[in-house]
Parts: sequence; structure tokens; C-alpha cells
Amino acid sequence: DADVTQTPRNRITKTGKRIMLECSQTKGHDRMYWYRQDPGLGLRLIYYSFDVKDINKGEISDGYSVSRQAQAKFSLSLESAIPNQTALYFCATSDLGQGGQETQYFGPGTRLLVL
Amino acid sequence: DQQVKQNSPSLSVQEGRISILNCDYTNSMFDYFLWYKKYPAEGPTFLISISSIKDKNEDGRFTVFLNKSAKHLSLHIVPSQPGDSAVYFCAASASSGNTGKLIFGQGTTLQVKP
Repeated sequence: DADVTQTPRNRITKTGKRIMLECSQTKGHDRMYWYRQDPGLGLRLIYYSFDVKDINKGEISDGYSVSRQAQAKFSLSLESAIPNQTALYFCATSDLGQGGQETQYFGPGTRLLVL
Repeated sequence: DQQVKQNSPSLSVQEGRISILNCDYTNSMFDYFLWYKKYPAEGPTFLISISSIKDKNEDGRFTVFLNKSAKHLSLHIVPSQPGDSAVYFCAASASSGNTGKLIFGQGTTLQVKP
């Protein structure tokens, strides 16, 4: 079974709709992240959370919100989807390593198309 | 401002030869560097990392070299295999501040031809 799962894997929605992407992990990690990937731009950080009571904005948080329901669950919401939010979305988890260095482990991704 | 850059969008090599993927960074605070491999329809998977206290880290066919003065790192795959065909991302983080945030490059698509 996968350590980091994302649902749905694919989603088509219309402009203005609210949608939620879910992420669950069984790795027991405290830290969770949401990224989006666009062609030619690599992965960009949307939001991150270091524990259930901690939520932080990443570099491209506008238009998104998150909820950390439990240590194992971190969901991303698009309150009113727009076409330029069409992208591949990844959830990741990590545990703080030695010297503050950590490795992140990614889910399989959600492909979102906003019409 | 792109702090981590992979200037080659794609690379094609013959099976059995060496693949060299390059990555440059601008932030001198970065002290931990990682390479991820990504197949289509899958998430990135961790491949290898290196701390700034080292200049080389090796794991089987994969070796990462770090040149701090040039702010450059490279991933060497020897010998290359068709199964290595994927998109490779380099990423960097600064352990000071304890944020753990990774900054990713744009990715390089590697094709290994049989």
C-alpha cells in the first residue's frame, strides 16, 4: 500500500466551482506539503503544515486554502476554481532529519482541469 | 527569481553510457540538495541527496557531485539504463530557519535509448 495517497487522481471542474483535494499518509510524519507542477516550472509550494495546529503559506497560496484535519490528513481547497489553476497537484510528507535536513516523500498526484 | 535552475530541458543518451544532469543554484544559504525522479502519472520519488559538507555522494549507479564555489551540482548515472528514462528534478533547502522548504528546478527529461 502506498505511504502517501491522494484523491481524486483526476478531476475536471468548471470555473467558479469549489473543489477539495485530499491527501492521506501512513508514514507517521508530522510535516505535510502541497505543491503544484506546471510545464517548465517545476514544483511550486502552495501551503505547508508542520503539525495539526500549524499552517503556513508557500510561494503561490493565493486562491487556495488548506485544512490539517489530523496528523495523517491534509486537504487542499480551491474556493472558486479558475482555468489557470489547471495543473498537476502533489502532496508530500517529511520528518525533520538530522541538522534540519529533511527528505520529502510525494503522493502520486492529482491532475486537475478547470474549464 | 528562479533560485534553482536546470538549464537543459532534455537529455538523450545511449544505454550503457553515462548520463550527466546539471543543476545550478543562486542562494548561498542552501545546504542540502536532493534529486528526485518522476515517471509519468506518478509522484516524484527521492533518488539521492547531498549535504553541503560533502562534495560527493554515491549510491549504486547514481552519484551526485556538489561544487559549492560554483553553486553547481550534477547527477551522474552510470551505466544508464532504459528504465532511467524519466524527468529528474533537483531541489535545494536551507536548514537554517528549520523550515524544510524545498526549492525545485524546472526538471530535465532524460531519455535512455536501447
